[in-house]
Amino acid sequence: EAGVAQSPRYKIIEKRQSVAFWCNPISGHATLYWYQQILGQGPKLLIQFQNNGVVDDSQLPKDRFSAERLKGVDSTLKIQPAKLEDSAVYLCASSPQPGGGPRGNEQFFGPGTRLTVL
Amino acid sequence: DAKTTQPPSMDCAEGRAANLPCNHSTISGNEYVYWYRQIHSQGPQYIIHGLKNNETNEMASLIITEDRKSSTLILPHATLRDTAVYYCIVRKRSSGYSTLTFGKGTMLLVSP
Repeated sequence: EAGVAQSPRYKIIEKRQSVAFWCNPISGHATLYWYQQILGQGPKLLIQFQNNGVVDDSQLPKDRFSAERLKGVDSTLKIQPAKLEDSAVYLCASSPQPGGGPRGNEQFFGPGTRLTVL
Repeated sequence: DAKTTQPPSMDCAEGRAANLPCNHSTISGNEYVYWYRQIHSQGPQYIIHGLKNNETNEMASLIITEDRKSSTLILPHATLRDTAVYYCIVRKRSSGYSTLTFGKGTMLLVSP
């Protein structure tokens, strides 16, 4: 079974530039998550989708971050304009079903995109 | 949501058992304990979860105390590939959807 795919793997930009990340979840997974992981810390949830609807975006800095999941499959996360403190690894994860029992919440993570803002 | 406390780092000799502790004294009755690990330059990987009974799978064992205020993840025969950051997480429920809140975890170093 193919895992969660993310691209690009690495990105270097200057502050105030824009950047976009792409995620393709595991086929059939209804729930998709974007996390931000700053060096030395655990992943922090930015946004959670159920199919193509947003379930939780309470920690998404909406003045500069946006995300969409068209047709309930692939997703993109955009930052514009980027700040130095956005340097982090951006992880995408998917899970089979929402709240459908403890195993239904198992999240499968992609390899992440490492963003460096100069 | 319940918070967890883990030691920042631990060492283990290859072939020996690795016992990773976690405190979650404010856990609620319907909250599960999850363990994930993150190998360098990879995304986190699910290991095991439990509610109140001890659990075992092909990767590890999870021992939860009777009062559920703490748990221990056991890797019975640690290998070099088990070197990773291990996260103990108490699952939060929000509007019917469960979320995972990661702390800083425990960095386990397995040495030859």
